[in-house]
Amino acid sequence: DIQMTQSPSSLSASVGDRVTITCRASQSISTYINWYQQRPGKAPKLLIYAASNLQGGVPSRFSGSGSGTDFTLTISSLQPEDFATYYCQQSYSSTHFTFGPGTKVEIK
Amino acid sequence: EVQLVETGGGLIRPGGSLRLSCAASGFTVSDNYMNWVRQAPGKGLEWVSVFYSGGSTFYADSVKGRFTMSRDNSKNTVFLQMNSLRAEDTAVYYCARDAITGSYHSFDTWGHGTMVTVSS
Repeated sequence: DIQMTQSPSSLSASVGDRVTITCRASQSISTYINWYQQRPGKAPKLLIYAASNLQGGVPSRFSGSGSGTDFTLTISSLQPEDFATYYCQQSYSSTHFTFGPGTKVEIK
Repeated sequence: EVQLVETGGGLIRPGGSLRLSCAASGFTVSDNYMNWVRQAPGKGLEWVSVFYSGGSTFYADSVKGRFTMSRDNSKNTVFLQMNSLRAEDTAVYYCARDAITGSYHSFDTWGHGTMVTVSS
């Protein structure tokens, strides 16, 4: 199975900061990666699909990049509602999807 | 409005069985790939299973042989039959629709989740 790792596992940031989260796959997955946001007690929400495509309704301060094994999710200017946990997910193997362990973004 | 509603969770003893339901509205489940994803308390997301529109099913190694996913087109509902439950199956179980764009899969619609607690 394809393994996904994320760094950092958590970070503290202030409103207005630029935040970058990294995800690494255990093998090349081209651009078959998605990013999700999960607020406490809520279901996950799709932010980015196919590495860099913004899901409809998602603010443009979110962006994704990368291909192969290394990927990033960037929030250009952190807003209060962005404090949440972010997960990457590989979809290269469509019979065994896997998620990264998550990155918790907390208020500094 | 596209919506998923999970039901069927609860407290069950180790070794027991439970069937979760995921009722869809606003789209047809038989035209889509449908997934189950779980989240243990305080932990991350774990993909559990997928039901292809054509009827094929695939499972995570942690549940293979114990869990079975099925679909009732007349009810526009997918199910997760969970047998031989273990303490480590305790989690919130989410149903999610797979939005396929070309060859790219992503889970664009999620239910609110249903809690399963396996404990004696």
